[in-house]
Amino acid sequence: KNEVEQSPQNLTAQEGEFITINCSYSVGISALHWLQQHPGGGIVSLFMLSSGKKKHGRLIATINIQEKHSSLHITASHPRDSAVYICVTPEGAQKLVFGQGTRLTINP
Amino acid sequence: DAGVIQSPRHEVTEMGQEVTLRCKPISGHDYLFWYRQTMMRGLELLIYFNNNVPIDDSGMPEDRFSAKMPNASFSTLKIQPSEPRDSAVYFCASKMGDTQYFGPGTRLTVL
Repeated sequence: KNEVEQSPQNLTAQEGEFITINCSYSVGISALHWLQQHPGGGIVSLFMLSSGKKKHGRLIATINIQEKHSSLHITASHPRDSAVYICVTPEGAQKLVFGQGTRLTINP
Repeated sequence: DAGVIQSPRHEVTEMGQEVTLRCKPISGHDYLFWYRQTMMRGLELLIYFNNNVPIDDSGMPEDRFSAKMPNASFSTLKIQPSEPRDSAVYFCASKMGDTQYFGPGTRLTVL
């Protein structure tokens, strides 16, 4: 079974700071997802990536398949970025293995 | 599209009662997933369907839990009888292609 580890578990930063959240996994995969869960509980899929880098606004996700590692970066962080960020890897054809999440708090 | 719709959004019930959670997936999506989220265990997959057929229910905790998908636009997750340890947020998600779209969740509290 794929083991997914995220770091840090909790992160507090000031508005404007550059944020990095890391995800490591134990079994080779073809793709990885990043989810964002807002304080109200809603879950949004941010990225699905299988190689290299993807960018969406101030969010950048990278993956290194050989090293079994992915990072999520947020540039010019804002209080509205405060959320739990979850790394997700596939297990089999359709099942997902979830990381424990990183709770990010951006203070104004 | 309205996205994945779940009802009710909040449910408070007493131990021993039957609880039914409902989900309407995004039209055209051929996969539907039920997840449970708790503080202790995070997000866990309970069961998923493909074209209305249950494919993998290995995550269903015990016989008290059952799920059905009678048609492509509706699924239910039933707990009978409910217990306090079932208190959690239950998410439904649907998928076509690579991305899962999550519903807003149902927060269940069993007293």
